[in-house]
Amino acid sequence: ILNVEQSPQSLHVQEGDSTNFTCSFPSSNFYALHWYRWETAKSPEALFVMTLNGDEKKKGRISATLNTKEGYSYLYIKGSQPEDSATYLCAFGPNDMRFGAGTRLTVKP
Amino acid sequence: EAQVTQNPRYLITVTGKKLTVTCSQNMNHEYMSWYRQDPGLGLRQIYYSMNVEVTDKGDVPEGYKVSRKEKRNFPLILESPSPNQTSLYFCASSRAGGGEQYFGPGTRLTVT
Repeated sequence: ILNVEQSPQSLHVQEGDSTNFTCSFPSSNFYALHWYRWETAKSPEALFVMTLNGDEKKKGRISATLNTKEGYSYLYIKGSQPEDSATYLCAFGPNDMRFGAGTRLTVKP
Repeated sequence: EAQVTQNPRYLITVTGKKLTVTCSQNMNHEYMSWYRQDPGLGLRQIYYSMNVEVTDKGDVPEGYKVSRKEKRNFPLILESPSPNQTSLYFCASSRAGGGEQYFGPGTRLTVT
């Protein structure tokens, strides 16, 4: 069984703080690493799909890096806002997708 | 509007009564997948489909069936539901395996 681990499980930050969390995955037979944002009472929404070692992707204040050789990805949020409060999921592909349990971020005004 | 739809959104049923949860996408995606979400366990894949008539087991396929007769539809069938199948179910699709997935709104199922 290929396990995807995310840490921390939950995180509370103040508005304006920058934060980051980790996704660890098996480094062998790598295909793709996904990040999703999941707000309460909604459905997960894709943030990034990363396939190349050393890849860095950015969307507004959110960015992600990928290290396939050591099996980890970081998600960074710069200047957190209350609307960033959500659970952030990573998933390991290609077809039989395995999701981590998520990092639940709460941003206090 | 590009979307994945699921029906029903909420369902309460009894043990053993067969049910089907429908999933449909309008994006001409080849890949579709079903997940269940349980507290503390994250999303676990039930079945996925790479294309019409091609389905494969995910992590937790026991007690479920699927079919992919048309590209747009991927129903999830519970032949004899049991209380341990009480969960939140999501359908998702993507252009190809490994691509970013678009999720449906979820179906909350309770089996008593």
